Amino acid sequence: DIQMTQSPSSMSVSLGDRVTITCRASQDIGNYLSWYQQKPEKSPKLMIYGATNLEDGVPSRFSGSRSGSDYSLTINSLESEDTGIYFCLQHKQYPHTFGAGTKLELK
Amino acid sequence: QIQLVQSGPELKKPGESVKISCKASGYTFTDYAMHWVKQAPGKGLKWMGWINTYTGKPTYADDFKGRFVFSLEASASTANLQISNLKNEDTATYFCARSRELDYWGQGVMVTVSS
Repeated sequence: DIQMTQSPSSMSVSLGDRVTITCRASQDIGNYLSWYQQKPEKSPKLMIYGATNLEDGVPSRFSGSRSGSDYSLTINSLESEDTGIYFCLQHKQYPHTFGAGTKLELK
Repeated sequence: QIQLVQSGPELKKPGESVKISCKASGYTFTDYAMHWVKQAPGKGLKWMGWINTYTGKPTYADDFKGRFVFSLEASASTANLQISNLKNEDTATYFCARSRELDYWGQGVMVTVSS
């Protein structure tokens, strides 16, 4: 199975900060990588697909990038509504595998 | 608009069975696969497998072979997840999600297994 190593596990951030979350894939997954935001008691919401593509309706302060086997989600100028848990998902190969999640909290 | 609406919460005893439904609307049901994801309380997401909504063929992740069954009521644009011989460790929220990219998700069904 492909392992997705996500870091950090949690971040305490301030409004206006630039935040970067990373997932490293244990095998080649190409651009078959998505990012999700999950709020408490809610289902995950797709934010980025194909490693770099912004889902419709997602604010432009969110972006995705890839460098080799490292995939990053960046939030420019964090807003209060951006708190929650962020997960990456590889869907290159079955079984699909998720990163362990990054909990984003305000200081 | 695209929606996946799941059935309500369940409270079951060990050894019992449960069937969860996921009704899709706003798109052609058979054009996209349906995937299932488990989230234990306070934990991350675990992919359970998927069902081809055109052929009805299910594919299960290794940890979900045996007691878990994916099925369809295609005429009702509904995917189902049945879990038999429930164990305490099956206590979780179960999500359905559309397509390989998991682009749309149901609201989740909390299944609690307790004696």
